[in-house]
Amino acid sequence: GAGVSQSPSNKVTEKGKDVELRCDPISGHTALYWYRQSLGQGLEFLIYFQGNSAPDKSGLPSDRFSAERTGGSVSTLTIQRTQQEDSAVYLCASSLGGGLSDSLFFGSGTQLSVL
Amino acid sequence: GNSVTQMEGPVTLSEEAFLTINCTYTATGYPSLFWYVQYPGEGLQLLLKATKADDKGSNKGFEATYRKETTSFHLEKGSVQVSDSAVYFCALSDRSASKIIFGSGTRLSIRP
Repeated sequence: GAGVSQSPSNKVTEKGKDVELRCDPISGHTALYWYRQSLGQGLEFLIYFQGNSAPDKSGLPSDRFSAERTGGSVSTLTIQRTQQEDSAVYLCASSLGGGLSDSLFFGSGTQLSVL
Repeated sequence: GNSVTQMEGPVTLSEEAFLTINCTYTATGYPSLFWYVQYPGEGLQLLLKATKADDKGSNKGFEATYRKETTSFHLEKGSVQVSDSAVYFCALSDRSASKIIFGSGTRLSIRP
C-alpha cells in the first residue's frame, strides 16, 4: 500500500481479554517497529523487526506482550490478559532498510481502551 | 543509557513569532538526530534529520543543527504559522542497539 496501515483504528476491550493489533508496513520496507504512546507521554519503544534477524524485544513491558512478523511483512502485536494500564495508542512504523539514519513512516495507530 | 530531553509544552505563540523548541540528548557514539511532527488528527511524520555533527536539517522553514559540543538539536523557525500547530518530537537513533528513541513531545499552538 501507499502507507503504513494499522487495524483496528480503535479497540475497546474488557480487562482480562486478549487483543491483537495488526500492522501492514509499506511494501519493500524491511524494518518494522512498534511503539506505544500513552496520554501526555512520549513514544515508548516496544519491539523492532529487521528482515530475518531475531527481533529486538527489549521494550516489551511484560510477558503479556508479544509480536510476530509473518513473511517479513505484516506484523501482529498481541496483548494477553489486558490491564487498564495497557490503554494507549499503539503505533507501528516501517523503514526501508533499518539503517539508523533511515526515516520512519508511521501508521495512524490503534487506540486501545481497556475498561 | 541513551536518552532525549525536550522542553515541556505546551508552547503558545502568536503567528509570525520566532520559534525555538529545545532538545538535548545523551548518547554513546554518533547518533543520527530527527524531528518528527504530529499534526492534529494525523500520524507522526518526519520533519527533518541530521546524521552527523554540524549538519543542518531543514524542511518547511524549520531548521535544526546537530551540535555535538552541546549535545543539542534545537528546532527553530523564523516565522510560525497557524498551520504549524502540532506536537513535535525529537528523536535519536541508538547505534548501540536498534531502536529509535523519542522525547516526550512538545505541543505547539499558534494563535492567529
